[in-house]
Amino acid sequence: EVQLVESGGGLVQPGESLRLSCAASGFTFNDYDMNWFRQAPGKGLEWVSYISTTGRVIYYADSVKGRFTISRDNAKKSVYLQMDRLRDEDTALYYCHRAGTWGQGTLVTVSS
Amino acid sequence: EIVLTQSPGTLSLSPGERATLSCRASQTVNRNSLAWYQQEPGQAPRLLISGAFNRAAGIPDRFSGSGSGTDFTLTINRLEPEDFAVYYCQQYGTFPYTFGQGTKLEIK
Repeated sequence: EVQLVESGGGLVQPGESLRLSCAASGFTFNDYDMNWFRQAPGKGLEWVSYISTTGRVIYYADSVKGRFTISRDNAKKSVYLQMDRLRDEDTALYYCHRAGTWGQGTLVTVSS
Repeated sequence: EIVLTQSPGTLSLSPGERATLSCRASQTVNRNSLAWYQQEPGQAPRLLISGAFNRAAGIPDRFSGSGSGTDFTLTINRLEPEDFAVYYCQQYGTFPYTFGQGTKLEIK
């Protein structure tokens, strides 16, 4: 069974950092590009970042560029999202994604 | 950035009826890389359609996608009670990937 399990969310103050992790199982991880998406409470879906199978190609949404860093470790079948200089508007449920499959999300709350 | 506009915002129908949801793009979606998702409260999105018309594994054939270029449609025939949810379209042909604002399908 294909599974994506996110972790690392929590409550932080503005300006602080968090690192999200996504552990994959049930498929050949290094065959798939990976993405992070997010959904603010009561709002729609927003794409955050993309990383190619080898990690050589990376894209970010303008709203997080320069503050967030995506990475992956194919040996560990995991993808990460390092989030620095967090803002109130980064509060959301963060989802890990590969083609056709979403995790259940990890909640990030940024509040003073 | 490609802006996706979904209509209507809310659709009120009865079980057994047909739902037609629209998604219009501000520019051509590359390679018709358009997906439809269903999201129920408290749940992760569920992929219904990719490539504009390809049903995902396990999706009933009541769900069908059509369209190309800038105009896309999700049709749900013979609505079942479990179909009442929020539906999003998403283009993944050009970065940044973008979503429509969603259509809420509610029971009339």
